[in-house]
Amino acid sequence: NAGVTQTPKFQVLKTGQSMTLQCAQDMNHEYMSWYRQDPGMGLRLIHYSVGAGITDQGEVPNGYNVSRSTTEDFPLRLLSAAPSQTSVYFCASSYNRGLGANVLTFGAGSRLTVL
Amino acid sequence: AQSVAQPEDQVNVAEGNPLTVKCTYSVSGNPYLFWYVQYPNRGLQFLLKYITGDNLVKGSYGFEAEFNKSQTSFHLKKPSALVSDSALYFCAVSLRPSGGYQKVTFGTGTKLQVIP
Repeated sequence: NAGVTQTPKFQVLKTGQSMTLQCAQDMNHEYMSWYRQDPGMGLRLIHYSVGAGITDQGEVPNGYNVSRSTTEDFPLRLLSAAPSQTSVYFCASSYNRGLGANVLTFGAGSRLTVL
Repeated sequence: AQSVAQPEDQVNVAEGNPLTVKCTYSVSGNPYLFWYVQYPNRGLQFLLKYITGDNLVKGSYGFEAEFNKSQTSFHLKKPSALVSDSALYFCAVSLRPSGGYQKVTFGTGTKLQVIP
């Protein structure tokens, strides 16, 4: 099983550029989410989805867009990159119900630098 | 609002000694508690969870955690630390899922350094 796959692993952008971080999971998880990890701040939720066609904002959604057209994929779009978006981004997924509910499986992360 | 506090940025312990990584939480309702570990340049990996029942939860790699409702704590423990346990540890909390996903809130993380 591949689990949660994120691409790219590294990316350098200039201020104002746009890009998409890709996330795919093969576990048939209903829930998918994007976090950013910054030193001393832990993980902060950007956007999440409880199923295909349904998305919602987390703690720090500004400057990011998401969509969920399939169960497997949950891309994160940076519309106009800013230096404050320099961070490590993690995609995570889980079941919504049952014993696996809320137990998150994480991708390996995408390190983004905005110059 | 729910929150998690990990009061120690870093914990140092000698190899072979017992280790404890502290976590306290705040949530309005029945908690669902987790510990995750992050090795350098990797994503987070699930270690263990508390749902209900026995207050002592056993997880991967010999780790265990003790749920204390009165102190709203969920400390991570291991009887004998290994150098390979050195990593960043995150505590997390959510409400107990009932009919759907519940938001998971993470602490800021504690760096565990096991000294040979």
